[in-house]
Amino acid sequence: QVQLQESGPGLVKPSETLSLTCTVSGDSISSYYWSWVRQPPGKGLEWIGYFYYSGSTNYIPSLKSRVTISLDTSKNQFSLKLSSVTAADTAVYYCARAPNWGRYYFDYWGQGTLVTVSS
Amino acid sequence: DIQMTQSPSSVSASVGDRVTITCRASQDISSWLAWYQQKPGKAPKVLIYAASTLRSGVPSRFSGSGSGTDFTLTISSLQPEDFATYYCQQANSFPPTFGQGTKVEIK
Repeated sequence: QVQLQESGPGLVKPSETLSLTCTVSGDSISSYYWSWVRQPPGKGLEWIGYFYYSGSTNYIPSLKSRVTISLDTSKNQFSLKLSSVTAADTAVYYCARAPNWGRYYFDYWGQGTLVTVSS
Repeated sequence: DIQMTQSPSSVSASVGDRVTITCRASQDISSWLAWYQQKPGKAPKVLIYAASTLRSGVPSRFSGSGSGTDFTLTISSLQPEDFATYYCQQANSFPPTFGQGTKVEIK
């Protein structure tokens, strides 16, 4: 049974860097596409980007200058860093997996973690 | 970016009703479409991918159809556990984009 679990601070100050980690269990992270998706309170879903186990990344253009997604295969984890945050970055952040045949089909999700940007 | 537009935004229905949700893409996405169900405080769960392929374990009362720009999700007989928000998502091209959601409420 594949499980994903997000972890990280729930409160980040404006202009600082949001850092989250997703721990994967039940399967190796050395395969698949690993994405982050966010959802502002009461709003819809926005894909942020992915890291493919081979090393390639892809980020949504509106966030590309501020986002980094990386993998730590030794810990079976991947992480998200979003710099220079503002209140508009307040959201529930989900980590998600997509299969090799469909990089944008998200078949397993973490439970989500709320990150609030506030001083 | 490809825009995904769902209708209706919300629907009130009773247990046993047939419910249909539509999703329109701003350009041709072939069959690269997924449907997700999200309950309050929970992560989305994929129901259907490739427009009409039911994910293993998803009840057969859920079905999807369509290709190109127009798609539908049908719940043939609504059950109490189906009250949730449903999202379509195009997986055809970068970046993947979601519809705004359709909330299925109890009538």
